[in-house]
Formats: sequence, C-alpha cells, structure tokens
Amino acid sequence: DIQMTQSPSSLSASVGDRVTITCRASQGISNYLAWYQQKPGKVPKLLIYAASTLQSGVPSRFSGSGSGTDFTLTISSLQPEDVATYYCQKYNSGPFTFGPGTKVDI
Amino acid sequence: QVQLVESGGGLVKPGGSLRLSCAASGFTFSDHYMSWIRQAPGKGLEWVSYISSSSRNTDYADSVKGRFTISRDNAKNSLYLQMNSLRAEDTAVYYCARVIVGATLFDSWGQGTLVAVSS
Repeated sequence: DIQMTQSPSSLSASVGDRVTITCRASQGISNYLAWYQQKPGKVPKLLIYAASTLQSGVPSRFSGSGSGTDFTLTISSLQPEDVATYYCQKYNSGPFTFGPGTKVDI
Repeated sequence: QVQLVESGGGLVKPGGSLRLSCAASGFTFSDHYMSWIRQAPGKGLEWVSYISSSSRNTDYADSVKGRFTISRDNAKNSLYLQMNSLRAEDTAVYYCARVIVGATLFDSWGQGTLVAVSS
C-alpha cells in the first residue's frame, strides 16, 4: 500500500506569515491528492482536491501544488482562524490513506 | 443543506458488536458513494470503508476487513456500519462522509459518533 507522510508534524508561525506544509506519497499518485483542515473540536473540511483545485468557499490564501509523489499546501498569509490540523489524503485508488497531519499554531 | 447524522456509538466490551447508522438529508443520497472514516482520541484520520451508490462495490481498510460490513438503504437515505469482533484499537469517533461524485474524497462529514471498546 502507498504510505503518506507529512512534514513538519507541527509548526508555529505568526499572523501574516507564509506557511508551507509538505505531503509525500511513497509511490506516484499523479494529482489524486486532497487537503483537509480540522479545527480544534470540529469536523474535517475539504480544502483542496486534484492537488491544486480549491474547494468552493475556501479562501484564496490557501493553495496547493505538486504531482507524482511530492505535494505542498501553502497558506500565503496565516490568519488566526487557520489554527488547525491539516491532513493530506490520496484518492487514486484504495486504501484512501490520510497523512498523519500537521498541526498549525499561532 | 447537506446533513449527515451518525448514531449507534457507545461503550462495548472487546469481542463485542455494534451497528452504526448515518441518516442523510439535503442531497440525493442514491447519487453518492458514502464512506466511514474514524479518528482515535487525539490521533489522525483513518479511512475505514466505502460503498458505491448502488451497494454493488465496497472496500475496507485492512485493519477492519473481515470484521466490519458497510451497507446502505437508499429508500431510507441511510448508511450503516456493522462492527463485529471489536478491539480496543477500534476506539474512535466514527464519521459518516459523503463521497464526491467521480472521486473518493469527502466533501461533507457528520459530527461523528464515539465508539469505545473497553472491558
């Protein structure tokens, strides 16, 4: 099975900072990669799919890139409401594995 | 709007069984694949199972294969997860999630139901 890793596992940044999270697949998955945001005590929310397509309603400060095995989620200007854990997920084929998550704090 | 409401969680002894339900509303349930995803306390997300819109196709994570069975009733707009031979490591919040048409990613999630497996 394809394994998903994320780095860093956690980070702390200031409001307005540019934040980048990396997700790596153990084998190529083309662009079948999604990103989710889970705020503390809340349900996960789909942010990005097809590696770089923003889900409707997601602020434009979020962006995604990558293909094959290496992917990034970027928050161009971190806001207080972005405090959350971010998960990547592969969906090219089963099992539809999530990465271990990256916790973002202010 | 899309609403998914899980029920059926609770405390069960190791080796026991539990059946989770998810009531869907606000969309055409029979058009969508559906899935169960779980999250152990303080841990990350783990995909558990999915079922196609017609129930023809199902798939499971290796960790639950042979113990869990996913099913659905399109007439009742309901999704189910029958969990047998439960283990301590199955303790988690179980989320019902709607699968986007054409891709196995999850655009709507329920609030979850907690399953605790302990003696």
